[in-house]
Amino acid sequence: TQLLEQSPQFLSIQEGENLTVYCNSSSVFSSLQWYRQEPGEGPVLLVTVVTGGEVKKLKRLTFQFGDARKDSSLHITAAQPGDTGLYLCAGAESNYQLIWGAGTKLIIKP
Amino acid sequence: ETGVTQTPRHLVMGMTNKKSLKCEQHLGHNAMYWYKQSAKKPLELMFVYNFKEQTENNSVPSRFSPECPNSSHLFLHLHTLQPEDSALYLCASSGLAFTDTQYFGPGTRLTVL
Repeated sequence: TQLLEQSPQFLSIQEGENLTVYCNSSSVFSSLQWYRQEPGEGPVLLVTVVTGGEVKKLKRLTFQFGDARKDSSLHITAAQPGDTGLYLCAGAESNYQLIWGAGTKLIIKP
Repeated sequence: ETGVTQTPRHLVMGMTNKKSLKCEQHLGHNAMYWYKQSAKKPLELMFVYNFKEQTENNSVPSRFSPECPNSSHLFLHLHTLQPEDSALYLCASSGLAFTDTQYFGPGTRLTVL
């Protein structure tokens, strides 16, 4: 069974700081998705990365897929309180089923 | 209504009760999913329906019974649950099973006493 480990589990920082969260596996995925889940809501897809080494940017968020397609990172520049939420990564297996990480809970303090 | 809606948003039930969770999608999708989300654990896929046919049942106990009367509606019937079944139950839909982006509802927070 493939596993996705996310780190850190919890992160609390001040507004304006930069941060990086990680999603790691020992297995290869055909693609990897990042979601953000706000309290009282379901996860919302932020980005899908497909190619090894791929980098995608979404405003202040930068997503990178590892060269070997086993890991990914999410970097947030100048974090804002609106970035607060649970960040989930999910890797797609060859049969397209998603393997989910447990998430990183991020709190940005004003 | 737009997107994926779920009712009720919160549910408290005793172990001997029978209740149902409802999910409705307004996106014209053909696949619908039930997930269980527990604190600090990965999402657990419970059931998948593609064109109203159940395609996945990930070893879910029989006290959870899904029903998909059409591509827009999905139910999860609950009976004789255990306290460890307390969790957030999320419904999602996608164009086709697994190959398209999944859109999630807000979830039902279930507490089993």
